[in-house]
Amino acid sequence: SQKIEQNSEALNIQEGKTATLTCNYTNYSPAYLQWYRQDPGRGPVFLLLIRENEKEKRKERLKVTFDTTLKQSLFHITASQPADSATYLCALDRAGNTGKLIFGQGTTLQVKP
Amino acid sequence: NAGVTQTPKFRVLKTGQSMTLLCAQDMNHEYMYWYRQDPGMGLRLIHYSVGEGTTAKGEVPDGYNVSRLKKQNFLLGLESAAPSQTSVYFCASSYSNYGNSNQPQHFGDGTRLSIL
Repeated sequence: SQKIEQNSEALNIQEGKTATLTCNYTNYSPAYLQWYRQDPGRGPVFLLLIRENEKEKRKERLKVTFDTTLKQSLFHITASQPADSATYLCALDRAGNTGKLIFGQGTTLQVKP
Repeated sequence: NAGVTQTPKFRVLKTGQSMTLLCAQDMNHEYMYWYRQDPGMGLRLIHYSVGEGTTAKGEVPDGYNVSRLKKQNFLLGLESAAPSQTSVYFCASSYSNYGNSNQPQHFGDGTRLSIL
């Protein structure tokens, strides 16, 4: 069955550095990949979507890459700030037009001042 | 614009009791979803709906039922609650994906449900 893996260990970095989070998947060839942010006690919030024919997508300090050969997506936050501390989830589409997503378990990012 | 609103926010049930979780969205979205989130696991899809009057099973549908009588509302029912259903439940909605334009999902802030 399809599987998505994100680093279960928290990522701790210093303010101002670039945070890089990894999302690996197996047994599946998604057409799209989405990244969400989740704060404690809140629902996920959509950040970025990247299509299989796009290598890279940017939005302000965020950058997502999608390597369908490696079956991997990387999520970068440049010039990180303490306010970026949260759990980040990646999600792949299943198939068709139903919008059914498979979510990874998330990686928690802690940015220290 | 409230977005996606879930009620209640917290609930404690005894094994065997039934209850309904309500999800309401004011964005005129066609699609709606119910997920559960457990520690160390990703969000898992319980049921979803691609339009008013239609529902379908997701990844973990057993023990749950849903209804979508109105476009803006999606109800999740637990027929006979079990301790394994202790979880945080999230509702989400999105525009339709016709034409293969994958749409982001908008989530509520969850219902924290404990079954004793």
